[in-house]
Amino acid sequence: RKEVEQDPGPFNVPEGATVAFNCTYSNSASQSFFWYRQDCRKEPKLLMSVYSSGNEDGRFTAQLNRASQYISLLIRDSKLSDSATYLCVVNRDNYGQNFVFGPGTRLSVLP
Amino acid sequence: DARVTQTPRHKVTEMGQEVTMRCQPILGHNTVFWYRQTMMQGLELLAYFRNRAPLDDSGMPKDRFSAEMPDATLATLKIQPSEPRDSAVYFCASGRRSGTGYNEQFFGPGTRLTVL
Repeated sequence: RKEVEQDPGPFNVPEGATVAFNCTYSNSASQSFFWYRQDCRKEPKLLMSVYSSGNEDGRFTAQLNRASQYISLLIRDSKLSDSATYLCVVNRDNYGQNFVFGPGTRLSVLP
Repeated sequence: DARVTQTPRHKVTEMGQEVTMRCQPILGHNTVFWYRQTMMQGLELLAYFRNRAPLDDSGMPKDRFSAEMPDATLATLKIQPSEPRDSAVYFCASGRRSGTGYNEQFFGPGTRLTVL
């Protein structure tokens, strides 16, 4: 079993839809969590950190459930430009920055 | 706008040749990472440095790969000899602690390596 798991998708949704991704992690000692976005043939870019209390950034909402060891990302009012692969990232060691990346979930927003 | 830079962006070489990839981290970042991304394996950590000292290179095949930071502005990843299975995109990232106390990593554009 991989340390960080995600549904690879693809998720094909119409513009304006709300879409949610989940990610599970197996290391209960994991310290911090992130969502990265990767466009085709580009580098991953930080989308948002995931805080214990949950956090929102515009149309994006991230939630963390430590008891069940999962992280979620909700995208509201999806845009064509949201089409990308979304990578769930778990930091095993908050001091050492030992990041483990999930395989990613591919999203296609259709006109 | 500070960015991580990597050279070369693309490299095609023949099996058995030496490959050197270079990375310039963002000024002021004290951690540097090398990752490899393939369709099959996704993004894998090869090695990382803090304050130029290697902290973890357990993800790297030691017999052919080596990573160094000769100074704070340059990180290198070498493969010698290269093999077709090394074909992948190699990303360098540099990291810092954010204002909220979380560690963040910023990726370079990657080196797309093809070994024939």
